[in-house]
Amino acid sequence: KAGVTQTPRYLIKTRGQQVTLSCSPISGHRSVSWYQQTPGQGLQFLFEYFSETQRNKGNFPGRFSGRQFSNSRSEMNVSTLELGDSALYLCASSLEFAGDEQFFGPGTRLTVL
Amino acid sequence: GEDVEQSLFLSVREGDSSVINCTYTDSSSTYLYWYKQEPGAGLQLLTYIFSNMDMKQDQRLTVLLNKKDKHLSLRIADTQTGDSAIYFCAEMKASGGSYIPTFGRGTSLIVHP
Repeated sequence: KAGVTQTPRYLIKTRGQQVTLSCSPISGHRSVSWYQQTPGQGLQFLFEYFSETQRNKGNFPGRFSGRQFSNSRSEMNVSTLELGDSALYLCASSLEFAGDEQFFGPGTRLTVL
Repeated sequence: GEDVEQSLFLSVREGDSSVINCTYTDSSSTYLYWYKQEPGAGLQLLTYIFSNMDMKQDQRLTVLLNKKDKHLSLRIADTQTGDSAIYFCAEMKASGGSYIPTFGRGTSLIVHP
């Protein structure tokens, strides 16, 4: 069974731009969660999607948004990028709940210049 | 302060046991997890423990949970150089019909010959 895939793996953007990251969960997994990992703040929960609906949201500004498609694939979008948005963005999928065993993708490394 | 706290670094000699400690604050957490992150990779679930358990053993891994003190530990027996990685503990709290994870900052385990 293929693992969680994330594209692109690396991305360089400038301040003010927007970015879209993509995540394909493991086949059969319906819950997709997104996390931001930085040296300063550690690993922080962004949001969780299930059946095309956002089920939970972390404490991030509205510039961070996401969606999930009917095939469970998910995208997250960050608008008006700031330098502090530079981070590793991790996606994780699980069968039904974020509390089930989560399988993480390798992440997308976003650098904002 | 942070919900989940871990020491940042641990250095051990190959063949010794490693003990990574974690404290959490929410007594209602139902699951507590240990993840491993190797350089350039996402997180890999190592093991988890339900809050109604005191101990769980899985091959070289032993998890101890002290609910009274809200303390969780991960013991790795016969530590190998391949165990060098960052280890995260996480607590899962029920929210919105699912669970929201809170991660510690991670403990960098360095195994030297």
